[in-house]
Amino acid sequence: GAVVSQHPSRVICKSGTSVKIECRSLDFQATTMFWYRQFPKKSLMLMATSNEGSKATYEQGVEKDKFLINHASLTLSTLTVTSAHPEDSSFYICSATVSYEQYFGPGTRLTVT
Amino acid sequence: DQQVKQNSPSLSVQEGRISILNCDYTNSMFDYFLWYKKYPAEGPTFLISISSIKDKNEDGRFTVFLNKSAKHLSLHIVPSQPGDSAVYFCAATKGNEKLTFGTGTRLTIIP
Repeated sequence: GAVVSQHPSRVICKSGTSVKIECRSLDFQATTMFWYRQFPKKSLMLMATSNEGSKATYEQGVEKDKFLINHASLTLSTLTVTSAHPEDSSFYICSATVSYEQYFGPGTRLTVT
Repeated sequence: DQQVKQNSPSLSVQEGRISILNCDYTNSMFDYFLWYKKYPAEGPTFLISISSIKDKNEDGRFTVFLNKSAKHLSLHIVPSQPGDSAVYFCAATKGNEKLTFGTGTRLTIIP
């Protein structure tokens, strides 16, 4: 199947700093990528749809000024958590679509201290 | 409004037996359904999918059944193996748009 990578896999940052997470499609081009957040023992929550060359579409309740998404190329989307706070600590996962199937990255564990 | 529901948060099955995971949905516009397997601290792994024009799709030990009239789908794993222990999410989509996930079922295979 298609391969999606994420970097970094784990990151610890101090409150008030910004963190960038990269999502790459390794063997295919993805015009659309998705960013999810998973809380402990919860389902995946869609945060935003990242569209190459245009603005991301955010789900209701997700602060677009806090979670900046850039889809600079057909193989790269980035999520920047700005002015991170401890409540932003979570597991962030990206995915890319190939036909009808979505393939997920391995996820990034963000811990804000 | 939870459009995709997995009413069993957990399920335990003896190794070698059949595991049946269930999923219900409310949106009749969904036209494609998928099952994902997820280990802790990892991204979901695609398992199997089914289009709304079919009622069954099989891939090795995994079979997905779709009952459109009941808005119900199920994933059958047979025979169950210890490595199948994970959380399973069903997901639905309409016209290749964003996925709507169920809440997940934790499957434990007992050796």
